[in-house]
Amino acid sequence: NAGVTQTPKFRVLKTGQSMTLLCAQDMNHEYMYWYRQDPGMGLRLIHYSVGEGTTAKGEVPDGYNVSRLKKQNFLLGLESAAPSQTSVYFCASSYSRADPEAFFGQGTRLTVV
Amino acid sequence: SQQGEEDPQALSIQEGENATMNCSYKTSINNLQWYRQNSGRGLVHLILIRSNEREKHSGRLRVTLDTSKKSSSLLITASRAADTASYFCATAANFNNNDMRFGAGTRLTVKP
Repeated sequence: NAGVTQTPKFRVLKTGQSMTLLCAQDMNHEYMYWYRQDPGMGLRLIHYSVGEGTTAKGEVPDGYNVSRLKKQNFLLGLESAAPSQTSVYFCASSYSRADPEAFFGQGTRLTVV
Repeated sequence: SQQGEEDPQALSIQEGENATMNCSYKTSINNLQWYRQNSGRGLVHLILIRSNEREKHSGRLRVTLDTSKKSSSLLITASRAADTASYFCATAANFNNNDMRFGAGTRLTVKP
C-alpha cells in the first residue's frame, strides 16, 4: 500500500518551460488536492477535485491547470513556469467529505530559474 | 485567503513540559483537523474534531473546539524531543465543500 505518491521529487525549470506533476493514490479516495508551501506561508490550496472528471479552484490557481481523468491520479500542470512558482508542492487525498482525513505525498521541490 | 491561523508562530519548550497551540478560523465548519509536519516532509494527520464535539483525546494529544469563538487548541502533554515539528490546523473554507485549507502553522521545538 503506497498511499500518495508524487513524481518527480525534485525539478529545476527554466522560466517559460512547462511541466506536469503527477500525484497517484491507491486508497480509492474521492478527494484530491494540490498545495504549494512557501517559507512562512503554510500550505496554500491551488486546485482540488471531488471526484473523477471534476476539478475546482483553490486559493492560488493562477498559472496552474489540473486534470483528474482517472480517480487515482491528479495532475498539476505549469504551462509557462515563472520564478514565483518556485515552491514545494504537496498532493493530498481524502476519502470523502464525511471522512476528510487527508494523506499527503512527500512533496515535489520545484525551482524555476 | 487562509482559513485558519495558528498561534503562536513559534514555541520552544523543555522535554516533559506541555505545549499548547491555538487555531482561529473564519467561517462555519463541519470539522477541524490538526496535522504535523516534520521538516521537509509531507503532513501527517493527528486528530479530527467535528463541529458538534467540544473536546477530543488521542494519546498525549488533547484538542478542544469552541465554535462560538471560532477557535481550537491543541495540547501536547509530556512533550518529547521527537515532537519537534510544525503543527497546522485545517478546515474547509466553505461549509458545503471540502476545500481543505491550512494556516501558517506553529513551529514547536522541544529541547532535550
